[in-house]
Amino acid sequence: AQTVTQSQPEMSVQEAETVTLSCTYDTSENNYYLFWYKQPPSRQMILVIRQEAYKQQNATENRFSVNFQKAAKSFSLKISDSQLGDTAMYFCAFMKMEGGKLIFGQGTTLQVKP
Amino acid sequence: ETGVTQSPTHLIKTRGQQVTLRCSSQSGHNTVSWYQQALGQGPQFIFQYYREEENGRGNFPPRFSGLQFPNYSSELNVNALELDDSALYLCASSLREAKETQYFGPGTRLLVL
Repeated sequence: AQTVTQSQPEMSVQEAETVTLSCTYDTSENNYYLFWYKQPPSRQMILVIRQEAYKQQNATENRFSVNFQKAAKSFSLKISDSQLGDTAMYFCAFMKMEGGKLIFGQGTTLQVKP
Repeated sequence: ETGVTQSPTHLIKTRGQQVTLRCSSQSGHNTVSWYQQALGQGPQFIFQYYREEENGRGNFPPRFSGLQFPNYSSELNVNALELDDSALYLCASSLREAKETQYFGPGTRLLVL
């Protein structure tokens, strides 16, 4: 069975600074997807970034980038130039390549301070 | 906004009752997944529907059931409600051919008293 672990329940960062959220996972699969989702206080879950396990290059979306370490089963999210609108709960998630089921971690609440 | 809508936004029920939650998929999406998110936790997969049939189920009892309609909208039904069923219920729609990209609705907050 696959598991996803986020060891940081809460984090805070000053506006304009950089913050890194950690995620580890466990799987015996070789091909899979990893995701970071953002859930603002309004509740709607939004996809931030996606990584395919077969790609060695780390995914980047504007201010968001990941550090994917397949051997270590680690998938961290770096947010650069943090903005107040980045305040939200962030979930790391896993999906098998042939599956449709997302497996989520427990989440990290990020507070961006002015 | 993802184009996925859910109704109602909030609901209060008592233990033992039955509830139906509704989800309207993003236009063109043929697959819908339902998740339960307890307060302060990550979402847990309940089941997925494709072409009106259940296509994968998580660790939830049979009193959790669903339907998908020809227009790809969906319902989640929960019978014999228990206090632990209190949670945010999220639906997510996707294309079967691109199931890794799931678009979430805003959720229905269910409180069971």
